[in-house]
Amino acid sequence: DGGITQSPKYLFRKEGQNVTLSCEQNLNHDAMYWYRQDPGQGLRLIYYSQIVNDFQKGDIAEGYSVSREKKESFPLTVTSAQKNPTAFYLCASSLGLGWSTEAFFGQGTRLTVV
Amino acid sequence: AQKITQTQPGMFVQEKEAVTLDCTYDTSDPSYGLFWYKQPSSGEMIFLIYQGSYDQQNATEGRYSLNFQKARKSANLVISASQLGDSAMYFCAMREGRETSGSRLTFGEGTQLTVNP
Repeated sequence: DGGITQSPKYLFRKEGQNVTLSCEQNLNHDAMYWYRQDPGQGLRLIYYSQIVNDFQKGDIAEGYSVSREKKESFPLTVTSAQKNPTAFYLCASSLGLGWSTEAFFGQGTRLTVV
Repeated sequence: AQKITQTQPGMFVQEKEAVTLDCTYDTSDPSYGLFWYKQPSSGEMIFLIYQGSYDQQNATEGRYSLNFQKARKSANLVISASQLGDSAMYFCAMREGRETSGSRLTFGEGTQLTVNP
């Protein structure tokens, strides 16, 4: 079955450590996205990528980094510079770049920093 | 500036009744798409319905319909015959056509819908 896989589902890390969240898709989608969701709030865009080896900052990119070396993969690293990293992280992808294409989401990773 | 506004943090509806979730948007781009997603307590985001800015008719998908009023810049979601499984968070989102926006999808704050038996 085609879809987007995020792993792990739950992640615990100590303060000051970098951590990488995995996102893989087998939908052959060009565009991929990372969103952050805090309790009771909407989704905020961290980074997005329209093609391999290219990505753009979203609204809250500080303290995060990404790479897009393969079309299927868009990992997100939460660095120690991110002041409040505990949140729910959602990865998404869309087939094209146009304004009419919907995004498909993974199951999310809940990161807790202690 | 907030591009997507959902003014109802929480809504309650009786099972089998219809409910309307409000969404207003702000854009100067003539080309845009509007999307509604459902997020159950499990956290996954489920795509429900899409409306394009040039579409003449309101979109419908099963029990979901979109009341699109372009002049008012509103795209309200109507759920008919509510079911207990409809209890979830609902998000309105927009994607603009302008080149500087790339392909980013912007979300509202969401509305928590509770269906009562």
